[in-house]
Amino acid sequence: EPEVTQTPSHQVTQMGQEVILRCVPISNHLYFYWYRQILGQKVEFLVSFYNNEISEKSEIFDDQFSVERPDGSNFTLKIRSTKLEDSAMYFCASSPLGGIKKLFFGSGTQLSVL
Amino acid sequence: TQLLEQSPQFLSIQEGENLTVYCNSSSVFSSLQWYRQEPGEGPVLLVTVVTGGEVKKLKRLTFQFGDARKDSSLHITAAQPGDTGLYLCAGEPGNNRKLIWGLGTSLAVNP
Repeated sequence: EPEVTQTPSHQVTQMGQEVILRCVPISNHLYFYWYRQILGQKVEFLVSFYNNEISEKSEIFDDQFSVERPDGSNFTLKIRSTKLEDSAMYFCASSPLGGIKKLFFGSGTQLSVL
Repeated sequence: TQLLEQSPQFLSIQEGENLTVYCNSSSVFSSLQWYRQEPGEGPVLLVTVVTGGEVKKLKRLTFQFGDARKDSSLHITAAQPGDTGLYLCAGEPGNNRKLIWGLGTSLAVNP
């Protein structure tokens, strides 16, 4: 069964460093998302991406964040200068075109900013 | 601001018991989805309900969408330890806008 894959599964970085989280969405899906979840808290929407551009973003997704689809398969989230409060599990999700949104999530990248 | 409130927040029961968890809002949603999330994993879609009053069954799980499409419930019959996890509801406001997520119900089924 096709699945969304994320790498790495764990990332430890120093405050102020740049990190890139990578995702390979399901191949025939056209909507892509990044969410994050701080331990014990709500799943928080960061950004949605369709047709090579951001379709919606949250207040969390400030100038320190960017997304890119560099080729036909990868979807990346970059945090330019990480802060302690960026520590969270980051989930990528994808959804097929049209109809009701049905999100398929990856297993997440646990980001720890020290 | 649209909100989804889930209750209870935590539930610990014995194997074989029945349970119901709720997802409520004052807003109307075009669809509502239920996900289950296990520790260290991403949420997994269980079901999507679209029509007011709709009932869907997935083995021992029964999902219902309220008539006004503002709330939903999940009933589990004869719970098993494998049902343990975080149950999340997410509502689609329509107009292709982002899903609204509840905080989840953390369910523990003890053998």
